[in-house]
Amino acid sequence: DVVMTQTPPSLSVAIGQSVSISCKSSQSLVASDKNTYLNWLLQSPGRSPKRLIYQVSKLDSGVPDRFSGSGSEKDFTLKISRVEAEDLGVYYCLQGTHLPLTFGSGTKLEIK
Amino acid sequence: EVQLVESGEGLVQPGSSMKLSCVASGFTFSNYGMNWIRQAPKKGLEWIALIYYDSSSKYYADSVKGRFTISRDNSKNTLYLEMNSLRSEDTAMYYCAKSAMDYWGQGVMVTVSS
Repeated sequence: DVVMTQTPPSLSVAIGQSVSISCKSSQSLVASDKNTYLNWLLQSPGRSPKRLIYQVSKLDSGVPDRFSGSGSEKDFTLKISRVEAEDLGVYYCLQGTHLPLTFGSGTKLEIK
Repeated sequence: EVQLVESGEGLVQPGSSMKLSCVASGFTFSNYGMNWIRQAPKKGLEWIALIYYDSSSKYYADSVKGRFTISRDNSKNTLYLEMNSLRSEDTAMYYCAKSAMDYWGQGVMVTVSS
């Protein structure tokens, strides 16, 4: 199984600051169709997870452009510029290239 | 608007069975694969099953293989998860999610306890 190593486990940031979350996979996430199926999701408190970014860097509809994703092969990063209060929650990376699908362990973002 | 609505939550004893449903609307259900994902209390997310749009292929996590069965009825826009031989470690919130995890249901709680 592909292991997704996500760091840090938690972050505490002030409104307006920028943060980065790392996700490293134990295998390359480049699929046979040349796409890389790496997603980022946010689970706000008491809510279902919501996908923010798919295929490394593509923003889902309605997701602010303060969010950005980058990376390739086995090393990926989610960046949130100018953090807002609504960004708090737990962020997960998810690889969709290999079965079984696997999630990172999550990064809890708290607002100072 | 895409909606996924799970049902079937409850408290069951170890060794028993339970069936969850997920009714989809707002998209052409029969065109998309569907997933079940679960989240144990205070824990992270665990993918447990995937079914192709036409039920031609089904995949399971090792933790549920042989005990859980994913199925769908495209005429009813409904996804199912039949869970047998339930264990305490199956206690979790269960979510259905559309294909590439772009839409999720609200989740249903399954508690396995004597």
